[in-house]
This record gives sequence, C-alpha cells and structure tokens, in this order.
Amino acid sequence: GGIITQTPKFLIGQEGQKLTLKCQQNFNHDTMYWYRQDSGKGLRLIYYSITENDLQKGDLSEGYDASREKKSSFSLTVTSAQKNEMAVFLCASSGTGGADTQYFGPGTRLLVL
Amino acid sequence: AQSVDQPDAHVTLSEGASLELRCSYSYSAAPYLFWYVQYPGQSLQFLLKYITGDTVVKGTKGFEAEFRKSNSSFNLKKSPAHWSDSAKYFCALEGRLSGSFNKLTFGAGTRLAVCP
Repeated sequence: GGIITQTPKFLIGQEGQKLTLKCQQNFNHDTMYWYRQDSGKGLRLIYYSITENDLQKGDLSEGYDASREKKSSFSLTVTSAQKNEMAVFLCASSGTGGADTQYFGPGTRLLVL
Repeated sequence: AQSVDQPDAHVTLSEGASLELRCSYSYSAAPYLFWYVQYPGQSLQFLLKYITGDTVVKGTKGFEAEFRKSNSSFNLKKSPAHWSDSAKYFCALEGRLSGSFNKLTFGAGTRLAVCP
C-alpha cells in the first residue's frame, strides 16, 4: 500500500496571487496527476506527468503551471488566482500500464477572496 | 473524443433496496471503465474497473458493475443498499488508443442518499 499527501489542506489567496500546491506519494508510481473538482461537476485533468521532469497538459491547463522535480512529488501552481474562485484540487498517482488504478490524495481546498 | 454521462445527479432510496447508478460513455473503441466513490469530506476511493473479459466485474464494498457494449453502458449495482453507501459516485473512462493511456475522463457524478 501507499499514501498520497497534499499540502496545504486549505488555501486562501488573494486575486492575482500565485499559489502553489504540493503533492507527495510513496507508492513508487511513475505517473502523477492534478485534477480540479468544482461543486456539482466531475473531475477535470489539469496536468499529468509520466516520469520525473515530464509534463503533459490536460484539458484545463490554462492558468496553471506544474513541476515534477522527482518521482515522488508533483507541484501545481495557480499562476494568477481568480477572484471568488473556489475549488478542490486533487492529486493522484498510478502506474503507467493501461487501466492502472489511480489513487487519490485528500485534496487541497482553494478559496480566493 | 471521449465522454462519460451520468444522467442522474441525485438518487434517493431506502435502506435494503437495490441500487443501480447509470453510466454511459462515448468512445470510438472499447474503453477501460472505472467507478470511484467519494464520501462526504473525503477524497475519491476506487471501487472497481472493467478491462476485458467477463462483463460483470465485482469490486469493493459489495459493489458490482456490468459492461454492456450494445448500449455503451457501465452501470453500478448493489443489493441491498446500506445507509453507509450514501456518497457521490463517479464513473470514469480511460481510452485504449495510443496517447490516451492513463488519462481518465470523469462523469459529473451521482449523489446517492440511502435513507434508514
């Protein structure tokens, strides 16, 4: 087994601020993901990475940057927070084979004032 | 393009009843299909997945799902339902085509309430 940790659990920011979310996994998985979950909607993929220093854009990458400095960690940066934005950001990891199960972290809840 | 539709935003039923949550998908080939559950205040937990072979797959917590190619569906079932099954359920698709591996497309989810 393994675990995914996300920091911080809650993030309150100001409009226009650059905000960074961090994710660590000890599954020894190659692939890591960042998803955004808005109330009443499904998850939308922001970025994913199939190995250290690799980055792949998802469907919602505009307004975000990501960084995979090492296999176990994956960071997401909101480049300019939007006023009244409220969402949960979920990190996940998996192997690289087809149909490998993705395991999710507890999430970071973002509120922009 | 690939998409997942969960047509029921909310489902309410009584404890002991049978539950079936609907999921349909659109994809040009046979997909990999997943169900995840999200309990209030928690993250997503994996329930089950369909890869190939037997069209009825069994997962954790007593859930099962049936893959039906004929109508592009992957409905989640459990009988009987328990109040502790109250949660939000997400259906997801992963494409088998090159470039699609590992990328999940999620439905909007179905919020299930099981009343004691």
